[in-house]
Order: sequence, then structure tokens, then C-alpha cells
Amino acid sequence: GAGVSQTPSNKVTEKGKYVELRCDPISGHTALYWYRQSLGQGPEFLIYFQGTGAADDSGLPNDRFFAVRPEGSVSTLKIQRTERGDSAVYLCASSPGLAGGEQFFGPGTRLTVL
Amino acid sequence: GQQVMQIPQYQHVQEGEDFTTYCNSSTTLSNIQWYKQRPGGHPVFLIQLVKSGEVKKQKRLTFQFGEAKKNSSLHITATQTTDVGTYFCAGIRGSGYALNFGKGTSLLVTP
Repeated sequence: GAGVSQTPSNKVTEKGKYVELRCDPISGHTALYWYRQSLGQGPEFLIYFQGTGAADDSGLPNDRFFAVRPEGSVSTLKIQRTERGDSAVYLCASSPGLAGGEQFFGPGTRLTVL
Repeated sequence: GQQVMQIPQYQHVQEGEDFTTYCNSSTTLSNIQWYKQRPGGHPVFLIQLVKSGEVKKQKRLTFQFGEAKKNSSLHITATQTTDVGTYFCAGIRGSGYALNFGKGTSLLVTP
């Protein structure tokens, strides 16, 4: 089957604008994660969903960031009033949902805020 | 909170030389995972270690988990140009599901 997909692959926006990033996890995976990766750094955890609910959103940097997963499959990461510091690659990963275990990463969305 | 540190940050070797990267955590880990990210790519799972003192091998790669479950290492024997990439260790966060990544070790292999 298909792996994790993310759209768009690249997004360029202006400071202050609103953006939505989409993640389509592997079918049947109940756990979904969002990470953010800046150049030369490891992925930084943002939020984790188990099914439809956000089980851990402690990594969201501030209230401009919000994520949803209304039907327990596709997830959307929403960023309001974007800032230049939000520029990064946003990675989505999914897993079957057991504690620990392999996470399958998508190709990421490269967000550039001008 | 949990900090995962990796050294070295960069390593440049000649093809055929060995390579080791080290990972240290400020707190005891329930398990540790290793990922490889090729330039321009996304992290790809390599292995998970769970038990104290565990050693696992995958062909030329050897992974170790320390006795105190606070450190880990990845050793590559006789590197090849296909080993180029950044190797990340990651410990499980408090929720038990999301990962806390180190900064990674970037490996460059020249023929």
C-alpha cells in the first residue's frame, strides 16, 4: 500500500498569512504525529493524535498552531498569522498505534514564510 | 524535560572505514529508536532497542543500548557510499508515543 503522503510538498507564503498543511497517513494507522524540522536539526515533536483526539499537544509552540483529525484518518496542521520563524519542513508520521514502535514518515511539506 | 544529545555532529570518512555515533539521554528511556535520513529525504526507521544492554545487528550496522538505558550507539563497519546521510536517535517522550529526537550525526563517505 501507499506510504504517508503530505500536501503540498512546498508552500511559500507571506508573513501574517494563514496556511494549512495536510497529512494522509497509512491506512489503518491510528496514531498520527506532526513534527517540525529546521535545517541541521532533528525533527521536533508538535502534536500526537490517537484516533480523532489529540493525545499530546505539548509540542505546539503557541496558540497560532492548531491541528485536527476529524475522522481519525487525514490530519490538517493549521498555522495562523505565520511568522518567518515558522519556516521549516513539517513532517507527518503515522504508526499502528501501539506504544513505541516504528513511525512511518511522510516526505514533508517545506514551508517558507517570506 | 528529556534531552537527547548526539555526538559527533558530523563525520567524514573514507569508504571502508568504520563509523560510530553516540546518543545520550538525561533521563532513563523506555526504549530508543534509530532513524536514517538521506539528503533531501525523510527519516526512515532503522531499529528499536528496548532492553537494558541490548545489542542488535543489521548486516554492517550494530546498535547498542546501555545498561542504564540512558545511552545508545550505532556502529557501521566498513562504510559504503550508500551509508551517506544523517543518523538520528530518538527516545520516547512522556506520552509513551511521540519521539524526542537528537540533532543527528551527518555522515559523509568519500570513495
